[in-house]
Amino acid sequence: DAGVTQSPTHLIKTRGQQVTLRCSPKSGHDTVSWYQQALGQGPQFIFQYYEEEERQRGNFPDRFSGHQYPNYSSELNVNALLLGDSALYLCASSLDRITSYEQYFGPGTRLTVT
Amino acid sequence: GENVEQHPSTLSVQEGDSAVIKCTYSDSASNYFPWYKQELGKRPQLIIDIRSNVGEKKDQRIAVTLNKTAKHFSLHITETQPEDSAVYFCAASILQGAQKLVFGQGTRLTINP
Repeated sequence: DAGVTQSPTHLIKTRGQQVTLRCSPKSGHDTVSWYQQALGQGPQFIFQYYEEEERQRGNFPDRFSGHQYPNYSSELNVNALLLGDSALYLCASSLDRITSYEQYFGPGTRLTVT
Repeated sequence: GENVEQHPSTLSVQEGDSAVIKCTYSDSASNYFPWYKQELGKRPQLIIDIRSNVGEKKDQRIAVTLNKTAKHFSLHITETQPEDSAVYFCAASILQGAQKLVFGQGTRLTINP
């Protein structure tokens, strides 16, 4: 049973560039949430994708966008990178059922903006 | 907006002693409270969770308690072992719709041998 996977593991970008991060959910899961974890902080909710649509969004600017594919995998795109975007980006997968709601995290992508 | 406060930020206990981490949430609609353990450089791992219709839940050395009236919930670890050393995060969520997790700031737990 494959767990949540993310790619790449690490990424170094320059201010103003654009980046795409990828996430494959746990087998059987249909929902993907993205979180940003700054150093020494708890994860912060960016948005969630279900049925290929953004279902809810946290307090992040429009520079952050995403996509979900029919196979439930997801991408997080960040445009016009700022130094403050440096963080660990985590995706979490879950099943959209009231009886099965646990979110399982991937290993994360460490993004460094210079 | 929703907010979860967690304390202490750091906790050091002797091996074999108990550790308690406390969280307070602001949104009275929250009804799901998971706890995650994150070791250095690793992903957050779900270790235990509780729903609002339950006051306490145990899993071996780990227990979580919930006080809905006070909007408090706590993680209790008994007979601590060196492998319990990690950062622990509490979170709160509403089991409806997106079920986004709102996390506390984390507690760095160190078990001293």
